[in-house]
Amino acid sequence: QVQLQESGPGLVKPSETLSLTCTVSGGSISSYYWSWIRQPPGKGLEWIGYIYYSGSTNYNPSLKSRVTISVDTSKNQISLKLNSVTAADTAVYYCARGRLWVGAWGQGTLVTVSS
Amino acid sequence: QSALTQPPSASGSPGQSVTISCTGTSSDVGGFNYVSWYQQHPGKAPKLMIYEVTKRPSGVPDRFSGSKSDNTASLTVSGLQAEDEADYYCSSYAGSNNLLFGGGTKLTVL
Repeated sequence: QVQLQESGPGLVKPSETLSLTCTVSGGSISSYYWSWIRQPPGKGLEWIGYIYYSGSTNYNPSLKSRVTISVDTSKNQISLKLNSVTAADTAVYYCARGRLWVGAWGQGTLVTVSS
Repeated sequence: QSALTQPPSASGSPGQSVTISCTGTSSDVGGFNYVSWYQQHPGKAPKLMIYEVTKRPSGVPDRFSGSKSDNTASLTVSGLQAEDEADYYCSSYAGSNNLLFGGGTKLTVL
C-alpha cells in the first residue's frame, strides 16, 4: 500500500520561501497525479495544485503566482515551493495522490510562518 | 472561485441517519460528476469516503452513501456509530483543472 511522507522546515520567516518534500513509498510515482493540499489550524481544506508524473502541473488560481510543484521520479519524490509567505500561509500541508479526488494522503506537516 | 457551502454542524443519535449537504454552482458540483467526500478525525489526515458522487472505495462501509441533485451533493451516513463522529469535507472538480473543497461539517453522534 502506498505511503506518503511530507518533510521540511516547520518554521518559515515571513517573505521567505516554504519548501516541502513528499516521499512516496510502497509504489511508484509513475502514472499518477500528485496533489498538495493545505489546512490552516482549525479551518478547512484548500487545494494548492497538482503535478502529473510526467511533470505537467496545474495550480489554484489564488496561489498560482507563488507556487511551484515539481517531481523527481528517480527519488519517488514530489516537492512544493511557496514563495513570499505570510502568516496566512500557516497550515498543515498534505501531499496526496490524485487529481479529481484524493485516495491516499500523507500524515501532513505543520508549517508556521513567523519571525 | 468560492468554496463549496456545507452546514457547519450536523448531529444524530446512534443508529439514526444523517445527511450532510454540499452546495456549489453549475460550474462545479452541478457541472461534473466528480464530487468526493472526506472524513477527518482530530489530528488525522482526511480519508476518502465517496468519489465520483456515489462510489465507495474499498473498505468504506456501505453505511456511507453519496448523491447529487442539480448543484447540491449530499453525503448520507446511515446507522450512525460513535466512530462516525468527525469532520466531513466535500470536494468537486470546478473545471479548468481546478478543485474546490467545502468548508467542512462537524458531525456529532449524540
